[in-house]
Amino acid sequence: GAVVSQHPSWVICKSGTSVKIECRSLDFQATTMFWYRQFPKQSLMLMATSNEGSKATYEQGVEKDKFLINHASLTLSTLTVTSAHPEDSSFYICSARGRGSGNTIYFGEGSWLTVV
Amino acid sequence: GENVEQHPSTLSVQEGDSAVIKCTYSDSASNYFPWYKQELGKGPQLIIDIRSNVGEKKDQRIAVTLNKTAKHFSLHITETQPEDSAVYFCAASSHSSGSARQLTFGSGTQLTVLP
Repeated sequence: GAVVSQHPSWVICKSGTSVKIECRSLDFQATTMFWYRQFPKQSLMLMATSNEGSKATYEQGVEKDKFLINHASLTLSTLTVTSAHPEDSSFYICSARGRGSGNTIYFGEGSWLTVV
Repeated sequence: GENVEQHPSTLSVQEGDSAVIKCTYSDSASNYFPWYKQELGKGPQLIIDIRSNVGEKKDQRIAVTLNKTAKHFSLHITETQPEDSAVYFCAASSHSSGSARQLTFGSGTQLTVLP
């Protein structure tokens, strides 16, 4: 199947700082990327959907100024958590679909964020 | 919007036995139903999917069945092995206003295969 890579796989940052997570589609053009958040022992919660070259669509309750999403190319989307707080600590996962993925949605490996 | 319910939340089976996980969905327009396996600390991995024009699909020890009339679909794992132990998520797709297909996930099933 297609490959989606996320980086970093884990990151620790101080409260008040910003951290960027990258999501790359390695062998297909990701026209659409999705960002999820997952708390321990819970399901995936969709945060936002981004189409290449346009602004992301955020789910209700997700602050777009806090979780900045950029999808500037067909192979890269980034999620920046700004002014991080300890309650932002979570597992963040991206997924992607597009040309060459057969319309199937593939997930990245996830990124653990710990805010101290 | 779409609502996906998944049962059971936990499932323990003996190695070699079969495991069945069931999901129901609410949006009759949904037409794509993938299943993901998630191991601890990792992202979900697609293991099998089915589209609405098919009633059953099989891939070695894994099979998925879909009943569009009743709006439910199930994952069947035969001859289970300890490495099948993980959390399994079902999902259904719906189209957002931006035409990007979104997945609505079930709550997950923790499968434990006992040796």
